[in-house]
Parts: sequence; structure tokens; C-alpha cells
Amino acid sequence: KNQVEQSPQSLIILEGKNCTLQCNYTVSPFSNLRWYKQDTGRGPVSLTIMTFSENTKSNGRYTATLDADTKQSSLHITASQLSDSASYICVVSDRGSTLGRLYFGRGTQLTVWP
Amino acid sequence: EADIYQTPRYLVIGTGKKITLECSQTMGHDKMYWYQQDPGMELHLIHYSYGVNSTEKGDLSSESTVSRIRTEHFPLTLESARPSHTSQYLCASSERQRETQYFGPGTRLLVL
Repeated sequence: KNQVEQSPQSLIILEGKNCTLQCNYTVSPFSNLRWYKQDTGRGPVSLTIMTFSENTKSNGRYTATLDADTKQSSLHITASQLSDSASYICVVSDRGSTLGRLYFGRGTQLTVWP
Repeated sequence: EADIYQTPRYLVIGTGKKITLECSQTMGHDKMYWYQQDPGMELHLIHYSYGVNSTEKGDLSSESTVSRIRTEHFPLTLESARPSHTSQYLCASSERQRETQYFGPGTRLLVL
């Protein structure tokens, strides 16, 4: 069964600290993996996208890694800011259909305290 | 920010009422999607469209219906709202053959 599991479910950190969010997936055949940021009351916004051949991708203070062999990804946030408080969703796409079926994780709820 | 809009943003309505959630995008995207999301849960695809006059049901069974008469417009209709329909509804769009989806701000629906 194709699934995406994220951990931790929630995380509280102090402003300025770093953190790492985890994503494990069983989706096959794999096409790509995205990390989305969803602010409260808003729709998700894409942060990074990685294909099978990429093992790291950065977007400012956000760095995503991908290990396609172990089917694991992480999102590292450096020098956290209050505006980083949001839900971070891991989304994996398969390549077995024209639609490019997306599998969503439940997200990690990150809270950054001053 | 993506040019995709949803109205209303919040809706409180009584059981049995008919409602239509609006979604419009100005990016010229062929593919459009409706997702349902409950607090702390993953997004579930309920409808999608490849283009004008194309509509398909998603993975999550839904009593809602959709239409795609114009490229930019993808409304979702509930003929008779029930409390079980209380949720957040997210609309998204993407270019043909590309999968990065751009999401609207969502509609939070509460059915009393």
C-alpha cells in the first residue's frame, strides 16, 4: 500500500534554532517528492521538489534531502523564524498514471516560540 | 503567490442547504483539483479535471459534484449539506504534464 508517514507529528522549537522533519514513504514507482508549507488557514505552498536522481535541494533556509534507496526524506530548517510556524507536508508522486498520483503525509506541525 | 482564488473563505450553513464553493485560476492551467482536509489529517482528493468538460472522481468518496465549463473555473456543489460535510476544501491547479500544484487559500465549511 502506498503511504507517506511523517514525524514528529508536532514540534516546538525556540526562534533561531535548527530543526529536522522526517518523511518515510512506500510509494512505488517513485516519481518525485515535494515538501509543502501550509500556514494556518491557507493552502499549501511548494518549498522543494526532488526527483529520483537528486539527493539534496535547498530553498533559502530550507534544505531537503532524499534517500531513494531507503525511501526517506528530511526537511532541515536553519535559524528558525517565527514565520516558520506552520504545517510541513511531505507529498510523493508516483509515475504509474497520467495524472501523477499524489500521496500526502499528515504533516508536521511546527511552532516557533520567541 | 499563486493566482488561484476560492470563495467564500468561511461558510456556516444549515443542514439540507445547497451550496457552491467557487474556485478560479488565472494561470491558464488545464488540470484542476478539489481536496478535502480535516484538522491534522492528510489532504484527500475528491475531484479533478484534465480540462474543459472533463471531470473525474478522486480517491475519497464525496457527495459533491463539480463542473468545468471554462478553463479558469472549477466550482464544487453540495446539493444537500450535512454536518459530515464540515471540513476544509482546497482547490488546486497545475500545468498539463507537470505536477507542481498551486493551491488556493481554502474554504472552511461548517454545517450545523
